[in-house]
Amino acid sequence: QQPVQSPQAVILREGEDAVINCSSSKALYSVHWYRQKHGEAPVFLMILLKGGEQKGHEKISASFNEKKQQSSLYLTASQLSYSGTYFCGTDKKGYSTLTFGKGTMLLVSP
Amino acid sequence: EAQVTQNPRYLITVTGKKLTVTCSQNMNHEYMSWYRQDPGLGLRQIYYSMNVEVTDKGDVPEGYKVSRKEKRNFPLILESPSPNQTSLYFCASSPRTSGGGSYNEQFFGPGTRLTVL
Repeated sequence: QQPVQSPQAVILREGEDAVINCSSSKALYSVHWYRQKHGEAPVFLMILLKGGEQKGHEKISASFNEKKQQSSLYLTASQLSYSGTYFCGTDKKGYSTLTFGKGTMLLVSP
Repeated sequence: EAQVTQNPRYLITVTGKKLTVTCSQNMNHEYMSWYRQDPGLGLRQIYYSMNVEVTDKGDVPEGYKVSRKEKRNFPLILESPSPNQTSLYFCASSPRTSGGGSYNEQFFGPGTRLTVL
């Protein structure tokens, strides 16, 4: 079952902040976040592991509530380059068997 | 350069004509996966492999086969393609964590756009 992402789409002006949420009904080992620009492959942003460990880019921040099986990605002081579709992927087995959400489209305008 | 390559990048074929999409990675990764991406549905995992000769079904395996005879290669086989398999396909790889699982980022190939007429 795919995790549920919200919102489905966000439009921002440069410099504004956004939060993208990801919710699963299953217990998770980890949550992955990726960004995809049109016509390109998804690019890794961050992994949040059960137990609190995180791996990812320094300028990206995210949280993982293990009890609620929810994760949020925080985009602060957005730049034009942040535009794209953001996907969360949930890993229930610990073997990178990711189930991705349907995506959140983010558009940052000047 | 560390990368995942896929071939072909674009393919138009007809219903029932067997095809193979190749995937190769040069990072010595243990884990490899195939995904399909359709508008409004996100990425859905077709098959994954944890190592040579070890493969398992993902969320949408019907109509697909895979094999993992070498660590670097993970081809996707469509024995009898149908129009509902028209999609954008991504191969991905990731390294194994010391504990045995994979809590690492997935590296995606550039994608293969398949059209089945």
